Amino acid sequence: AQTVTQSQPEMSVQEAETVTLSCTYDTSESDYYLFWYKQPPSRQMILVIRQEAYKQQNATENRFSVNFQKAAKSFSLKISDSQLGDAAMYFCAYRGYYGGSQGNLIFGKGTKLSVKP
Amino acid sequence: SQTIHQWPATLVQPVGSPLSLECTVEGTSNPNLYWYRQAAGRGLQLLFYSVGIGQISSEVPQNLSASRPQDRQFILSSKKLLLSDSGFYLCAWSARAPGRQETQYFGPGTRLLVL
Repeated sequence: AQTVTQSQPEMSVQEAETVTLSCTYDTSESDYYLFWYKQPPSRQMILVIRQEAYKQQNATENRFSVNFQKAAKSFSLKISDSQLGDAAMYFCAYRGYYGGSQGNLIFGKGTKLSVKP
Repeated sequence: SQTIHQWPATLVQPVGSPLSLECTVEGTSNPNLYWYRQAAGRGLQLLFYSVGIGQISSEVPQNLSASRPQDRQFILSSKKLLLSDSGFYLCAWSARAPGRQETQYFGPGTRLLVL
């Protein structure tokens, strides 16, 4: 079974600085998708970024980028120019390539990010 | 654009009472639908998913059930709530079209407190 591990329960960053959140996963599949979701105090889950495993190029969305290392099964999230609004829980998630139960998201336990003014 | 709604936003219920949480999606047709539960300080646990009307798959045995009476409506129910049912319930949808079904989008959630 696939697993997702976020080893940093809490992280802190100074406003305008850069922070990297770690995520590792375990799978025997070769094709899959990886996601980072943000959960602010409102608790709604917001998609931050997604990565297809068959793409070697790292995904980027404005100030958010990932470092996808397929061989190492590592998928870290880098937040540049951190803003106060970035403070939230961040969840890493894995999805198998195919549908059915393999298409369900598997979440890590999350990393709580604090941003200091 | 697509939107997903959940209600109620907050619910306080006594142990042993019934439960009905509703989720509806607008702006898309034939979506995949999901119910998750998030206990305090924990990650998300998938409870049910549905690929069509009347088609429900359960991921964990529990006190809850789900139904999909219409294409864009997903309901989470219980006949008798337990204290352990307290938590934050999230509904999500994903598109059915090839190449788009992998991304799930979440609703605002329902906070359930069972006393």
